[in-house]
Amino acid sequence: RKEVEQDPGPFNVPEGATVAFNCTYSNSASQSFFWYRQDCRKEPKLLMSVYSSGNEDGRFTAQLNRASQYISLLIRDSKLSDSATYLCVVTRNFGNEKLTFGTGTRLTIIP
Amino acid sequence: DAGITQSPRHKVTETGTPVTLRCHQTENHRYMYWYRQDPGHGLRLIHYSYGVKDTDKGEVSDGYSVSRSKTEDFLLTLESATSSQTSVYFCAIRETGKDNEQFFGPGTRLTVL
Repeated sequence: RKEVEQDPGPFNVPEGATVAFNCTYSNSASQSFFWYRQDCRKEPKLLMSVYSSGNEDGRFTAQLNRASQYISLLIRDSKLSDSATYLCVVTRNFGNEKLTFGTGTRLTIIP
Repeated sequence: DAGITQSPRHKVTETGTPVTLRCHQTENHRYMYWYRQDPGHGLRLIHYSYGVKDTDKGEVSDGYSVSRSKTEDFLLTLESATSSQTSVYFCAIRETGKDNEQFFGPGTRLTVL
């Protein structure tokens, strides 16, 4: 079983719709959680950290469920510019902060 | 912008040749990382550094070595490149703060023929 699992998609969503992704992780000792987005042939860019209490940044909401070991990302009022691959990332070790990446969920927003 | 550059950005080489990739940062970050990205695998850690001359292995370190003689530069060397090392290589730095987020350089696309 992979340490971090995501539905690869693709998700094809009309502009203005709400879309949600889930990500599961296998190591209950995981400490920190992030969502990154990656555009085609570009580097991953940090979208947001994920906190136990849930957090929101504009149209984006991230939630963490430690008991079930999953992380979610909700995008409201989706824009064409949201088209990208979304990477779920967890860390296990404090100090070295070695990241473990999911393989990503591909999102395409349709006009 | 985390001030990270990578060179070269693209390289084509032949099996058996040595290759060195360079990561350069301008903001004096202590931690630096090398990842590779391949379809179906996500990004995987090759090596990382926690200071000058302090490095350690990641999950896919076989066939790679690293060096960090200055804070700003982290070099990744393929001693004898193989076709399985064809990949996109990303360097990252870790910021010291509340969440210790990592930020990535633009990547190097390496093809080994």
